[in-house]
Amino acid sequence: GAVVSQHPSRVICKSGTSVKIECRSLDFQATTMFWYRQFPKQSLMLMATSNEGSKATYEQGVEKDKFLINHASLTLSTLTVTSAHPEDSSFYICSARPETSGNTIYFGEGSWLTVV
Amino acid sequence: AQTVTQSQPEMSVQEAETVTLSCTYDTSESDYYLFWYKQPPSRQMILVIRQEAYKQQNATENRFSVNFQKAAKSFSLKISDSQLGDAAMYFCAYRGPNFGNEKLTFGTGTRLTIIP
Repeated sequence: GAVVSQHPSRVICKSGTSVKIECRSLDFQATTMFWYRQFPKQSLMLMATSNEGSKATYEQGVEKDKFLINHASLTLSTLTVTSAHPEDSSFYICSARPETSGNTIYFGEGSWLTVV
Repeated sequence: AQTVTQSQPEMSVQEAETVTLSCTYDTSESDYYLFWYKQPPSRQMILVIRQEAYKQQNATENRFSVNFQKAAKSFSLKISDSQLGDAAMYFCAYRGPNFGNEKLTFGTGTRLTIIP
């Protein structure tokens, strides 16, 4: 089946620095990708919709200046957490739908971010 | 806004037995999609089963089946012949009808434990 890859799978960064997480669709093209955040023992919360070639659409309450999303190509979306703080520590996961797959949505493996 | 409710934070079942996980949702749409995802300790989101709201027939995938009650807005998952590998968090998810808008709304999850 289709594969969505995230990198890095785990990252530790210092408070105040920025960190970038990549989401790649390895064998399909996706004009739209989605970024979710999952706190420990909680559900996935949609942060934003990443649109290829245009600005991301953020969910209410998500700071767009803090969580920068870039969808530069049909196979890559990036999430940059700027000026990270310990409260940004979380599991971030992306999803994408192949243009020709109908209704199947594929998830990346997720990325653990720890801000120290 | 759509909401998805999973009222069972935890469930357990004896190996080889059958268990049913509950999910209810709220929407004003007549056409939509419902999903059950499995999240093992690896955190990878795995699609278990999908149901299109316009289909009256309940979806089935091997040992997994759903009981879709559209009028009641209920979408339960039945796992037959439970196996140790079924132990995971299970999330019910809703997706609206609009093409190109594949964002999912998740329930809070049910942790399933399989008793050997």
